[in-house]
Amino acid sequence: DADVTQTPRNRITKTGKRIMLECSQTKGHDRMYWYRQDPGLGLRLIYYSFDVKDINKGEISDGYSVSRQAQAKFSLSLESAIPNQTALYFCATSDYGLEQYFGPGTRLTVT
Amino acid sequence: DAKTTQPPSMDCAEGRAANLPCNHSTISGNEYVYWYRQIHSQGPQYIIHGLKNNETNEMASLIITEDRKSSTLILPHATLRDTAVYYCIVRAADRGSTLGRLYFGRGTQLTVWP
Repeated sequence: DADVTQTPRNRITKTGKRIMLECSQTKGHDRMYWYRQDPGLGLRLIYYSFDVKDINKGEISDGYSVSRQAQAKFSLSLESAIPNQTALYFCATSDYGLEQYFGPGTRLTVT
Repeated sequence: DAKTTQPPSMDCAEGRAANLPCNHSTISGNEYVYWYRQIHSQGPQYIIHGLKNNETNEMASLIITEDRKSSTLILPHATLRDTAVYYCIVRAADRGSTLGRLYFGRGTQLTVWP
């Protein structure tokens, strides 16, 4: 079984809709991250959490919110989706080092 | 936060060594060099990291120059499955630090051809 799972893997939604992307991990790590990737660009950090009570904004948090429901679960929400949020979204986890373990990604399309 | 410079693309024949360079001339004494790769649209995969000494694991070798201003990732016997974007990242790794975030640049697209 994969250590980091993301659901859904693909999603098409309409402008203005609320959508939640979910991430679960079995690695027992405290730290979790959400990134987005746009074609031809590297990954950009949206939010990160160093434990259940610690949530921080990344480089591009506007238009997004997160919830850390448990050590193993970190959800990303788009309250009102817009087309420029069409991207590939990755969840990652880490221990105190910088070896991050990534999920398989969610491909989100906002029409 | 562009602390590294990598060539945008490289290619390599299958079975040969792939040597991917990275310049990090402003690296600080407590910063590590990390390498990740991303196979088309999959999640990035950790490869290796080092501070000063050369490192080797089952995937690759990392050679860091004595002045630490550059490094080379070596895939000793490249296969078609090694075709990916390779990211070189420089970052401190203090326990409890808020600097645990990674900044991914554009990386090097390595193409391994038959």
